[in-house]
Amino acid sequence: DAKTTQPPSMDCAEGRAANLPCNHSTISGNEYVYWYRQIHSQGPQYIIHGLKNNETNEMASLIITEDRKSSTLILPHATLRDTAVYYCIVRVGGGGADGLTFGKGTHLIIQP
Amino acid sequence: GAVVSQHPSWVICKSGTSVKIECRSLDFQATTMFWYRQFPKQSLMLMATSNEGSKATYEQGVEKDKFLINHASLTLSTLTVTSAHPEDSSFYICSASGYLLSNQPQHFGDGTRLSIL
Repeated sequence: DAKTTQPPSMDCAEGRAANLPCNHSTISGNEYVYWYRQIHSQGPQYIIHGLKNNETNEMASLIITEDRKSSTLILPHATLRDTAVYYCIVRVGGGGADGLTFGKGTHLIIQP
Repeated sequence: GAVVSQHPSWVICKSGTSVKIECRSLDFQATTMFWYRQFPKQSLMLMATSNEGSKATYEQGVEKDKFLINHASLTLSTLTVTSAHPEDSSFYICSASGYLLSNQPQHFGDGTRLSIL
């Protein structure tokens, strides 16, 4: 799986959009970008994933650059409950037969 | 969405005892389940992969005789920490993947916090 780089921490004001960047310059053509988050003392929660098109669901939007070397997760109206560690993971698509490789992620802190 | 349940959520026991953790997929058939471990202030580390009806595959450095994994049905996998010692204290998390969810993400349980005294 391709390596990803994320900032270790970010702050965002409650109610504002939180934009979390992820660099994955060695991504392969068949690798998807997945985002998970982990709220303190809980298991990771799936947020969104995409291959090359931008994606949106009820939780977030995922913007992938045209060259696919980076992406941004957008939480449109952050709340205090969005405070968590966010993980960007690149891997071949599919629920898969392989476990996930978690980096250190970005600790997002939503400020009141 | 897909739901994975893990039990117990928290356990404290004495050194030398064995502890069993259950992971269930509640609304889908999980052909593959994964077990992770997370130490404080660290990220999740994959311990092993189990496929229904076959032996688990362990990551390098994980003792298969220490961490027994059983995946006897499409909805249940168990992790038994045998003769647990204080250094086994950690947060254990399972995830599940189903053959019918071919391009969908893995879904995680809420984890089990294990404390060995």
